[in-house]
Amino acid sequence: AQKITQTQPGMFVQEKEAVTLDCTYDTSDPSYGLFWYKQPSSGEMIFLIYQGSYDQQNATEGRYSLNFQKARKSANLVISASQLGDSAMYFCANGASGNTPLVFGKGTRLSVIA
Amino acid sequence: ETGVTQTPRHLVMGMTNKKSLKCEQHLGHNAMYWYKQSAKKPLELMFVYSLEERVENNSVPSRFSPECPNSSHLFLHLHTLQPEDSALYLCASSQDSGVSSDTQYFGPGTRLTVL
Repeated sequence: AQKITQTQPGMFVQEKEAVTLDCTYDTSDPSYGLFWYKQPSSGEMIFLIYQGSYDQQNATEGRYSLNFQKARKSANLVISASQLGDSAMYFCANGASGNTPLVFGKGTRLSVIA
Repeated sequence: ETGVTQTPRHLVMGMTNKKSLKCEQHLGHNAMYWYKQSAKKPLELMFVYSLEERVENNSVPSRFSPECPNSSHLFLHLHTLQPEDSALYLCASSQDSGVSSDTQYFGPGTRLTVL
């Protein structure tokens, strides 16, 4: 069974600084994907970034990058140059093949301070 | 409209009411999902449909009844709900179900309050 652990219930970061949100996963599937979503107070889950288990390079999307360490089973999200609009809940999720549902972590609440 | 839309955005209902939540995706995807998000709990998968067939039903009480008339539309019919069913209900879609690289795209959710 898959499991996602996000150990930071809440994080604070100064505007324009970088922040790392932690995510560790546990899966026995050799082929899997790791996703990060942002959920503002409005409720919508916004897809940010994806990393495949066989990808050699860390994924990047604008100010978001994924620090993928396969041996440690970690997939931390790095947000560079934080903005006030980045304040939200952030969820890490793990997808595997074969009709296995996407498994979400409990989330980290990020607060960006001016 | 683009992406995934959900209506209504907010719903207040009594325990004896019957209501329906609607989800529509404009992405040409084959799989659609219902999730429940309660306060301080992880996202819970309720139902998965792939090409209009239900492929996952996560022990959801029968007072929640899904319907997928075509690959673009998904409904969640609600009847005789309990106050603990109050939550944010999120719909999502992906190209296919069961593919590890398929990203799920979510709608804005329906915030349900059961009195």
